[in-house]
Parts: sequence; structure tokens; C-alpha cells
Amino acid sequence: TQLLEQSPQFLSIQEGENLTVYCNSSSVFSSLQWYRQEPGEGPVLLVTVVTGGEVKKLKRLTFQFGDARKDSSLHITAAQPGDTGLYLCAGSGFGNEKLTFGTGTRLTIIP
Amino acid sequence: GAGVSQSPSNKVTEKGKDVELRCDPISGHTALYWYRQSLGQGLEFLIYFQGNSAPDKSGLPSDRFSAERTGGSVSTLTIQRTQQEDSAVYLCASSSSGGGYEQYFGPGTRLTVT
Repeated sequence: TQLLEQSPQFLSIQEGENLTVYCNSSSVFSSLQWYRQEPGEGPVLLVTVVTGGEVKKLKRLTFQFGDARKDSSLHITAAQPGDTGLYLCAGSGFGNEKLTFGTGTRLTIIP
Repeated sequence: GAGVSQSPSNKVTEKGKDVELRCDPISGHTALYWYRQSLGQGLEFLIYFQGNSAPDKSGLPSDRFSAERTGGSVSTLTIQRTQQEDSAVYLCASSSSGGGYEQYFGPGTRLTVT
């Protein structure tokens, strides 16, 4: 069974600060996705990274896939209250294996 | 186009009763997933349908849980003899294919067992 551990589990910071969320596994993934979930809604895909070492930027969000494709990070610059939510990473195995979701990081940005 | 829809949005039931939760996936999506989420935590995988293949039921927590997908479209998750620990948000997602394709989630059904 592939496991994805996210850290921290909870994070509460002031508006304008920077933060990093980590997603770690002992397994190799063919690709890795990041989702954000807001209260009362289902998760929504933010980005997919597929190449070891890949870095993708989405406005103030920077996503990186580890060189060995076992881990990933999400860095948010100058956090805004709208960034508040549950962040989930999800790893894709090889072939037709279903996604494995991480344990989640609940982020709260304080105005 | 229409996204994934789930019904009901909220369900309150008494312990011991059976419940059925419905998921209407995005038209044309061959893969359908059910997850359970407790207290805003991470997703617990329940079951996965992909095309005409046998479903992956490896996440179902007990034999009180079952799911079917009729005609490759609508899916129903059934919980028999509900227990208080079944209280959670049940999320459905669909994908254009199986494996690592992007999953599109419905808003979930909040189940409360009293």
C-alpha cells in the first residue's frame, strides 16, 4: 500500500507570510497532484507534476516534485485569506492504479 | 457542462437504518470513486469503478457497505444497519479514465447517524 504523509497537519499563519507544505512517501509515483478543498465542497485540482525535479508555479503557489518522484512540496508566498482550506496531495502509481491521497494539511490564513 | 452531483446533500438517520447515497458523475467519465471524509480530515478511499472492470472494493470498511454503478453512469453507495461511526461526509469523484487522471469531485453527502 502506498502511503503519502503530509506535514504539517495543521498550519495557521498571518496574512502576508510564506509557508511550505510537504508531501512524503517511500514509494515512487508516476505523477503527483495537489488539490485544495474549501468547506462544504469537494477537492479541486490545482496542479499535476509529472517529471522528477519539476517545478510549477500558479500565481503565488509553487509546486515541486522531488527528483526521485517520492515527495513534493507546495510553497505559498504572501499568503492570503483566500488560500485557507484543506490541501491534499495525491500520487499516481503506474498503469491503471487509482490515486493515493495524502493525509491532508489544513491551512488557515489569519487576516 | 454539469459537474459531479450528489444527493442528498445532507442525511440524518437513526442507528440501525439503511441509507442510500447517490452520485451522478460527469457524462462520459469512465472512472468513479467513493471516498469518506471525517471531520474535515483527509480522504478515505472506499471503492473504485473503472469501465466494465470489476470494482476495486478494497477500501470498504465492512460488509455493511456496498456500491453499484448502473449502466456505467450513476452510482449508489448503500450503508446497511448504520452505526454512529459511519457519520461523515461521503464524496464521489469521477475521472475521464482510471489511474492518475484528474478527479472531479461532487460536493458530498453529509451523513449523520443519531
